[in-house]
Amino acid sequence: EPEVTQTPSHQVTQMGQEVILRCVPISNHLYFYWYRQILGQKVEFLVSFYNNEISEKSEIFDDQFSVERPDGSNFTLKIRSTKLEDSAMYFCASSTSGGGNEQFFGPGTRLTVL
Amino acid sequence: GESVGLHLPTLSVQEGDNSIINCAYSNSASDYFIWYKQESGKGPQFIIDIRSNMDKRQGQRVTVLLNKTVKHLSLQIAATQPGDSAVYFCAENTGTASKLTFGTGTRLQVTL
Repeated sequence: EPEVTQTPSHQVTQMGQEVILRCVPISNHLYFYWYRQILGQKVEFLVSFYNNEISEKSEIFDDQFSVERPDGSNFTLKIRSTKLEDSAMYFCASSTSGGGNEQFFGPGTRLTVL
Repeated sequence: GESVGLHLPTLSVQEGDNSIINCAYSNSASDYFIWYKQESGKGPQFIIDIRSNMDKRQGQRVTVLLNKTVKHLSLQIAATQPGDSAVYFCAENTGTASKLTFGTGTRLQVTL
C-alpha cells in the first residue's frame, strides 16, 4: 500500500539554524500539506501546496517558513532561523484532490530546537 | 473563531465494550469530517469520514454519526480491542478549502 514517507525521523538543531524537512508524498497525489503538532496538543495546519504554488497557509506559516517541490517526488519544508517554539512534530500529508477528501499522513519528523 | 473541539480528553473502556468518542464543531459551513487515530510516535491514520449530506456512515467496527443541528460528531467503536488504544482526533474541512482543522483529541484507553 502506498504511503507518505518523511525524513529524518528526528532532527535536533540549534536555535537560529536552518532546517529542511523532507517528504515523499504518494505518487499520484496532487495536493501536499504540512502540519505540526506541539507535544500534547492538537495537529495544526501550516500550508497546502498544489500545482507548484501555495494554495493556503495559516498564521503560523510566516516568512521563516517556505515550501518547495524541487523535483517530481520530494516536498520540503524549510525553516530559515529556528526558534525554541518551533520544536514539534511536523507531519506531511498528501491527497488526490483538494477540499473534502482524505489526507494521508506521513509518520512525522520530530524537530527539537535547543 | 471557528474551531473543532472534543468533550472528553480521556476515555477508559474495557476490552469488548463499545466506545463512543464525541466531537463538537462550530463552523456550520463545514461539509466534510474525518476521524483519525494517532498511536504514540506515529502520524494520524484515517479511520472513517462523512460528508454533511449524510448523518451516519459505517465501516468495519466503526460508525460515525453526524448531527448538523447541534454540530456534533461522534465515533463509535464496537467491541473495543487493546489495539484501539490511541488518541482519536476529529477534523473538519470546508468546501474547497484545503486545510483540515483538527480537534484537541481524546485518548482512548482499553483495559483488559
